[in-house]
Amino acid sequence: EDKVVQSPLSLVVHEGDTVTLNCSYEVTNFRSLLWYKQEKKAPTFLFMLTSSGIEKKSGRLSSILDKKELFSILNITATQTGDSAVYLCAVVEFTGGGNKLTFGTGTQLKVEL
Amino acid sequence: KAGVTQTPRYLIKTRGQQVTLSCSPISGHRSVSWYQQTPGQGLQFLFEYFSETQRNKGNFPGRFSGRQFSNSRSEMNVSTLELGDSALYLCASSRRPGTSGGVSTDTQYFGPGTRLTVL
Repeated sequence: EDKVVQSPLSLVVHEGDTVTLNCSYEVTNFRSLLWYKQEKKAPTFLFMLTSSGIEKKSGRLSSILDKKELFSILNITATQTGDSAVYLCAVVEFTGGGNKLTFGTGTQLKVEL
Repeated sequence: KAGVTQTPRYLIKTRGQQVTLSCSPISGHRSVSWYQQTPGQGLQFLFEYFSETQRNKGNFPGRFSGRQFSNSRSEMNVSTLELGDSALYLCASSRRPGTSGGVSTDTQYFGPGTRLTVL
């Protein structure tokens, strides 16, 4: 069965720390991997990764994909309290004419002062 | 450009009833996917529609159904509601789904969700 596993499940850090969130996957016809940030509302898109080894960067957030080892990491540097959220990883696979997203259970990040 | 909209935002029903949720995608987006989110199961894929056709379906019972209209708006219906159907139902739109012979990795944009409570 297809699987997307995120670790750690939860994390508490202090402002200014750097965190690394992990996402490993096993799907049949991989197309892309997406990272989302979810606060008390619907997920908001962060990154889409399709190629190995190419870092995507947006401000203090960055992400990279390893298609050989089947995982991705999301880095957040100089964390702020506003970074507190659930970070979701989702893998897009192609299934006979359409896309299907399989989500991991998320990493709950809490950034304290 | 307006985002994905979902109605209603909140809904309370009783067991055995049926419910219809609505989703309007971002203008120009033709693919609509539905997800169920619960604390225990996380985000789970329900189905995807493109050009009024269901393209993919997740592992949910037949009580969960949907449709898409020619203007790309989509509805999701749940019949014979059970307590376990209480969840946040999210709809997401993208320009297009994957296409055979090519790779479409269009990003999905989520609506605010409909919070369904079954009593």
